Amino acid sequence: AQKVTQAQTEISVVEKEDVTLDCVYETRDTTYYLFWYKQPPSGELVFLIRRNSFDEQNEISGRYSWNFQKSTSSFNFTITASQVVDSAVYFCALYSDRGSTLGRLYFGRGTQLTVWP
Amino acid sequence: DGGITQSPKYLFRKEGQNVTLSCEQNLNHDAMYWYRQDPGQGLRLIYYSQIVNDFQKGDIAEGYSVSREKKESFPLTVTSAQKNPTAFYLCASSMGGGGTEAFFGQGTRLTVV
Repeated sequence: AQKVTQAQTEISVVEKEDVTLDCVYETRDTTYYLFWYKQPPSGELVFLIRRNSFDEQNEISGRYSWNFQKSTSSFNFTITASQVVDSAVYFCALYSDRGSTLGRLYFGRGTQLTVWP
Repeated sequence: DGGITQSPKYLFRKEGQNVTLSCEQNLNHDAMYWYRQDPGQGLRLIYYSQIVNDFQKGDIAEGYSVSREKKESFPLTVTSAQKNPTAFYLCASSMGGGGTEAFFGQGTRLTVV
């Protein structure tokens, strides 16, 4: 079964603090993809990053960085020097292209991040 | 500009009525999806379609129906059989396969009055 767990329901930080959003996934597939999406108050989900199961290199994009560890089935997301505009709900998702679940995205329940000025 | 358009943004339904949510994309994507979002529940898949004239049920398809007569369009009908339809509905599309990212519309907030 495919499953994504985001144990942190809500996180509050003060501007300029670093914050890490956790994501743990379950899958029996050897080929899979992991995603992070941001949902600002406007409601539309915005794609942030995709990582395939064969690429465990960490990635940094500006203030964002992602740590993918297959050994712990985790794909954590860190925002450095957080800003008020980072306030949003963040979703981790798992993509499966195996058999009857072709094309499905499995989402975690999301983490509401609030950054206070 | 390419993207996904959902309409209306807000929709009010009386109990016992069917309502249809529109989703149109001009990204030339093969795959389209409907998700329902409730507070604290994440996104749950209602229906998805990998190709025109074909679609599959997701995890919570009961009380919903869809059609995929055109590649660009994937309307969702919330029927009177859906007992708790008040929610935020998101439509998405992707190229399909290979883990390509999904693009989302701005959502429709449906309220039963």
